[in-house]
Amino acid sequence: AQSVTQLDSHVSVSEGTPVLLRCNYSSSYSPSLFWYVQHPNKGLQLLLKYTSAATLVKGINGFEAEFKKSETSFHLTKPSAHMSDAAEYFCVVSNQAGTALIFGKGTTLSVSS
Amino acid sequence: DGGITQSPKYLFRKEGQNVTLSCEQNLNHDAMYWYRQDPGQGLRLIYYSQIVNDFQKGDIAEGYSVSREKKESFPLTVTSAQKNPTAFYLCASSIGQSRYQPQHFGDGTRLSIL
Repeated sequence: AQSVTQLDSHVSVSEGTPVLLRCNYSSSYSPSLFWYVQHPNKGLQLLLKYTSAATLVKGINGFEAEFKKSETSFHLTKPSAHMSDAAEYFCVVSNQAGTALIFGKGTTLSVSS
Repeated sequence: DGGITQSPKYLFRKEGQNVTLSCEQNLNHDAMYWYRQDPGQGLRLIYYSQIVNDFQKGDIAEGYSVSREKKESFPLTVTSAQKNPTAFYLCASSIGQSRYQPQHFGDGTRLSIL
């Protein structure tokens, strides 16, 4: 069965410093992986997706993620945090049939000035 | 603008009452989904529909029902059989049922018990 594990439930950074949100996955097939962001009381917005093309994926708002098969990881990074990046971030894998997304428990990113 | 509209934003349920959450999309997507979100947890799938007049149970379908009479609409009914309905409910859609297609989400409905 496929699953994702977000290694940190909470990450705190200062504005202008790098962001690293860690995600490990488990999948018996070539996975499709996504990162979504959720601001309070809002729906989820797609940041980026990996679907077996380039291993370094660029997303919106300066975020990017690297797919590392040998480490079964798909960590999300951003060179410089902005106050508006404070939100909940979800690492997600699709099941093989495409009938469901499997979500990690989320990482709350706090950004201080 | 194309998107997914969920209503109402907040909903209160009395004991023994059924309530219906609305989800409408104008993205011309074939597939639609309902998720439940509880604090500190990721989203869990309640029901999904690949096509009009067809839907399938997800991981936590007990106490919920859906219909898909129109491509644009996928309402969710929380029945009195759902003993712990307090949660944030999110509707999503995708172009088709493929693991390569991302899902697009509405802004959610927060359901509470009176």
